[in-house]
Amino acid sequence: ILNVEQSPQSLHVQEGDSTNFTCSFPSSNFYALHWYRWETAKSPEALFVMTLNGDEKKKGRISATLNTKEGYSYLYIKGSQPEDSATYLCASTLIDNAGNMLTFGGGTRLMVKP
Amino acid sequence: DGGITQSPKYLFRKEGQNVTLSCEQNLNHDAMYWYRQDPGQGLRLIYYSQIVNDFQKGDIAEGYSVSREKKESFPLTVTSAQKNPTAFYLCASSAGVSSYEQYFGPGTRLTVT
Repeated sequence: ILNVEQSPQSLHVQEGDSTNFTCSFPSSNFYALHWYRWETAKSPEALFVMTLNGDEKKKGRISATLNTKEGYSYLYIKGSQPEDSATYLCASTLIDNAGNMLTFGGGTRLMVKP
Repeated sequence: DGGITQSPKYLFRKEGQNVTLSCEQNLNHDAMYWYRQDPGQGLRLIYYSQIVNDFQKGDIAEGYSVSREKKESFPLTVTSAQKNPTAFYLCASSAGVSSYEQYFGPGTRLTVT
C-alpha cells in the first residue's frame, strides 16, 4: 500500500494569517498528486491535480507546489479567512494503478478564527 | 444538475444485519469508487468499478460487496461479516481510466449498534 502522509494533522490560525501544510508520498512510479478541500457536511471538492515536477498551481489565495523527485507537495493559503476552514486532503496516484486509484493522506484540518 | 447522490445521509442498523448504501451519478462517468473514513484516518478504498458489470477489490474489501449492473449506480452492501461497520462512507466517480480526477458524493454515515 502506498503511504501518503500529511502534516500537521490540525492547525488553528487567526484570520489574515498565511499558512501552509505538507503532503509527502513515495516518489517511485508517481503519476499524479491531488489536493481536495472538504468542508463539514459537504462533498470533497477538487482543488488541484499536478503531475509534473516543479508544477505550481494557483486558485485565488490558495496555491500548491509539487516536488516529485523528493516526494512532497505544499499547499499554501495566503491571508486565511474563516471560510477556508475545512479539511485539506491530498492523494497520490501511481503510474501503474488500475482504475486510477487514489491513495489518500489523513488530511490536515484547518480552523481559521475570526 | 450533474452530480453524485448518496442516500440516506444517516443510517442506523443493528449488528448482524446487512445494509446497502446507495450511490447514483448522472455524470456519464465510467468509473465509480467506494471509500470509507474513520476518525483520524484518510479515505480508504473499499471497491472500485471501471465499467458496467466489472468491479475490483480495493484495500479493505473484506465484509463488503458491490454490484455494477448500470453505469449510473454502484451500491455498496455492508455485510454482517464486516467487523467494524460504523464509519463514514463516500462514493466517487471519474470519467474513466484516462481521466484521473474523481468527483465525490456527500457521504453516508452508518452507525451499527
